[in-house]
Amino acid sequence: LAKTTQPISMDSYEGQEVNITCSHNNIATNDYITWYQQFPSQGPRFIIQGYKTKVTNEVASLFIPADRKSSTLSLPRVSLSDTAVYYCLVGPLRSYIPTFGRGTSLIVHP
Amino acid sequence: EPEVTQTPSHQVTQMGQEVILRCVPISNHLYFYWYRQILGQKVEFLVSFYNNEISEKSEIFDDQFSVERPDGSNFTLKIRSTKLEDSAMYFCASRDPKNIQYFGAGTRLSVL
Repeated sequence: LAKTTQPISMDSYEGQEVNITCSHNNIATNDYITWYQQFPSQGPRFIIQGYKTKVTNEVASLFIPADRKSSTLSLPRVSLSDTAVYYCLVGPLRSYIPTFGRGTSLIVHP
Repeated sequence: EPEVTQTPSHQVTQMGQEVILRCVPISNHLYFYWYRQILGQKVEFLVSFYNNEISEKSEIFDDQFSVERPDGSNFTLKIRSTKLEDSAMYFCASRDPKNIQYFGAGTRLSVL
């Protein structure tokens, strides 16, 4: 399974755009990149998934360069409620066991 | 939006007692999972379940643990003889065909 590396923590302010980058140098051809969000004492929640280039949904964008060795989760105009831990997971769509690392703890300040 | 539901939200038990944590996965999902998260630590995989049998399990999932799908909707995790170190949040998840996992809100297990 591809190993992922993300910053342990980030700080931002309300209204700013936040970009969290994940490195996955040994990503395999059939691997997808999936991001989850977790609030304290709650289960992880799916944010976005992609394979290459750019994916956008109502909450975030995911940018994946051509070599796919990294990916960037972009949260536009964050609010206090975006304070959470964000996890980057890499693996195939067919059955595999997601491995959650430490994630990135994002704190949004007023 | 369909969701995974877990009960109870908080379970307090004495060491050595048996507990059953319950989950109702999303109805058309076929793969089910249990994870645990000790306070301040990572989300850890326990077991996956497909077609009425365990498909994978971690080293944590020893003989004290068992899972069952007793009917068409419930998915349970049983801990036979709880230990202090079993205190954690336990999350159930079910998976859609794109391998996106949908997690429940969790059960906080406190072993005294």
